[in-house]
Amino acid sequence: AQKVTQAQTEISVVEKEDVTLDCVYETRDTTYYLFWYKQPPSGELVFLIRRNSFDEQNEISGRYSWNFQKSTSSFNFTITASQVVDSAVYFCALNGANSKLTFGKGITLSVRP
Amino acid sequence: GAVVSQHPSRVICKSGTSVKIECRSLDFQATTMFWYRQFPKQSLMLMATSNEGSKATYEQGVEKDKFLINHASLTLSTLTVTSAHPEDSSFYICSADSTSGARSINNEQFFGPGTRLTVL
Repeated sequence: AQKVTQAQTEISVVEKEDVTLDCVYETRDTTYYLFWYKQPPSGELVFLIRRNSFDEQNEISGRYSWNFQKSTSSFNFTITASQVVDSAVYFCALNGANSKLTFGKGITLSVRP
Repeated sequence: GAVVSQHPSRVICKSGTSVKIECRSLDFQATTMFWYRQFPKQSLMLMATSNEGSKATYEQGVEKDKFLINHASLTLSTLTVTSAHPEDSSFYICSADSTSGARSINNEQFFGPGTRLTVL
């Protein structure tokens, strides 16, 4: 069975602060994919990133960066210089050999002006 | 590319009626589609997996006679909530996964915008 844990439930920061969203996963598969999605109030899921289990390179995309560490089964997401538009629910998800996406419970991020 | 649409985006119905939600892959063929349900302030939970031309596979605890899924073509899957009740009110999201052909992209699912169902 696979599992995704997002221990943080709600985070509130002031604009321009950096914030890290944690994600820890469990799987017995050797090949798997990790994802982060953003869900704004409209409800539509916005794809942010996909990482396969063989690629541990960290990635940076603008103000977003991701830290994948297989040794600790973590795939953390950092937003640098947060903005009000970053306010949303963020989900970490895992897709393994059964091709089913398992989502974490989500983290509600509120960025205050 | 890789656009998935859902219709309707929002529906309000009376208790006891049936509601059909359509999920379409607009620019690719989806051999597999997934249906998720999301209650307020909760995560997405997989309800069922549908493969074109075959019966859907339901997750444990999901009533297959209540949530009818039809995946009659490579671009369309439908979810029918039969005899809907207020507890079925939720946000229903579909996704499509093309695991064959040129658009096979590392187990990525492409999500529709969701359908908000309210049963009165």
